[in-house]
Amino acid sequence: KAGVTQTPRYLIKTRGQQVTLSCSPISGHRSVSWYQQTPGQGLQFLFEYFSETQRNKGNFPGRFSGRQFSNSRSEMNVSTLELGDSALYLCASSLAKGHYEQYFGPGTRLTVT
Amino acid sequence: AQSVTQPDIHITVSEGASLELRCNYSYGATPYLFWYVQSPGQGLQLLLKYFSGDTLVQGIKGFEAEFKRSQSSFNLRKPSVHWSDAAEYFCAFRSNDYKLSFGAGTTVTVRA
Repeated sequence: KAGVTQTPRYLIKTRGQQVTLSCSPISGHRSVSWYQQTPGQGLQFLFEYFSETQRNKGNFPGRFSGRQFSNSRSEMNVSTLELGDSALYLCASSLAKGHYEQYFGPGTRLTVT
Repeated sequence: AQSVTQPDIHITVSEGASLELRCNYSYGATPYLFWYVQSPGQGLQLLLKYFSGDTLVQGIKGFEAEFKRSQSSFNLRKPSVHWSDAAEYFCAFRSNDYKLSFGAGTTVTVRA
């Protein structure tokens, strides 16, 4: 069974631009979560989607948004990029509401210049 | 506040020696606890998990962890480390609102 895939793997953007990252969960998994990883702040929860609905959200500004499609694939969008948004963005999927193991993708490395 | 703490930022261990990584949690009820490993430039790989029941859990790659409620700890152990175990290790806790909260991580260096 294929793992969690994320595209693109690397991205360079300019301050003020917007970016969309994509995540395809493990087949059959219905929950997708997004995390931001930086050297200073570590791993921080962004949001989680289950059955196309945002179930939970972390403490990030409204510039960070996401969505989930009917096939469980998810996208996250960051608008008006700031230098501090440079990070590794990780997507994780889990089977269903009652299953707590999350399986992570390789991440998208975003660099904002 | 619900959280996990990893007291050790960096540990150096000789190949073949034993390894123990510490994790302390703060939560009122029985927590859902995990250990993940991250190699440079990679995502996180789940090593093992604790939900309930047997307090000694076995994971992949020869790792095990012991849940000790009295000490609010969930320490990760490996009897004999290999050079390929050099990585960053994260303890994580999942609360009832499904969010995973991670510790700051422990970087393990393996010397020959």
